[in-house]
Amino acid sequence: AQKITQTQPGMFVQEKEAVTLDCTYDTSDPSYGLFWYKQPSSGEMIFLIYQGSYDQQNATEGRYSLNFQKARKSANLVISASQLGDSAMYFCAMRDGGRGSTLGRLYFGRGTQLTVWP
Amino acid sequence: DTAVSQTPKYLVTQMGNDKSIKCEQNLGHDTMYWYKQDSKKFLKIMFSYNNKELIINETVPNRFSPKSPDKAHLNLHINSLELGDSAVYFCASSQSDRGNTEAFFGQGTRLTVV
Repeated sequence: AQKITQTQPGMFVQEKEAVTLDCTYDTSDPSYGLFWYKQPSSGEMIFLIYQGSYDQQNATEGRYSLNFQKARKSANLVISASQLGDSAMYFCAMRDGGRGSTLGRLYFGRGTQLTVWP
Repeated sequence: DTAVSQTPKYLVTQMGNDKSIKCEQNLGHDTMYWYKQDSKKFLKIMFSYNNKELIINETVPNRFSPKSPDKAHLNLHINSLELGDSAVYFCASSQSDRGNTEAFFGQGTRLTVV
């Protein structure tokens, strides 16, 4: 079973608007971390934001916020006031407690390609 | 100062050759990883080391061999390269292998086997 599901292969948003990128996850472990990464066309992987399973509040980092709905197992990324430079591939990832050889690995979704237009 | 650096950034080589990709992190992290990103952008873990000890060895051909001379370095050696090995390889590190620590990635090495 997929651990991370991103159902939007591509999203379009106009500059200055907000956009939500969807992510759902699957784990039976009570302790886990959720991450979002940005991969621009230049190829590097840039860490954006983290949410812990025990965190009471939604994580925020500047224009990025994570809409964490634990019961629904969703961790959507919200980008406010989109900028042209936000155009990139966005990956949702999870690390859970794991057992044995799965300990420590990050499971990635297949990504959402975001295009911001003027 | 680059936190996680890997070299080379681009690598073009012929089938059958042996090549290495080097990775170094200056963050003082205990855990390092190699990930492979295929042509559809899917990222999958290959190996993970914690304090120089191998803790994850995903099902990859044994032509791929990681080597960690110290906890700041994790190199990837590939023998007898095949066309299907063409991909982007990312090195990453994190403070630990626990759930609440983010991984920082190198800039990637685009390997093309011809």
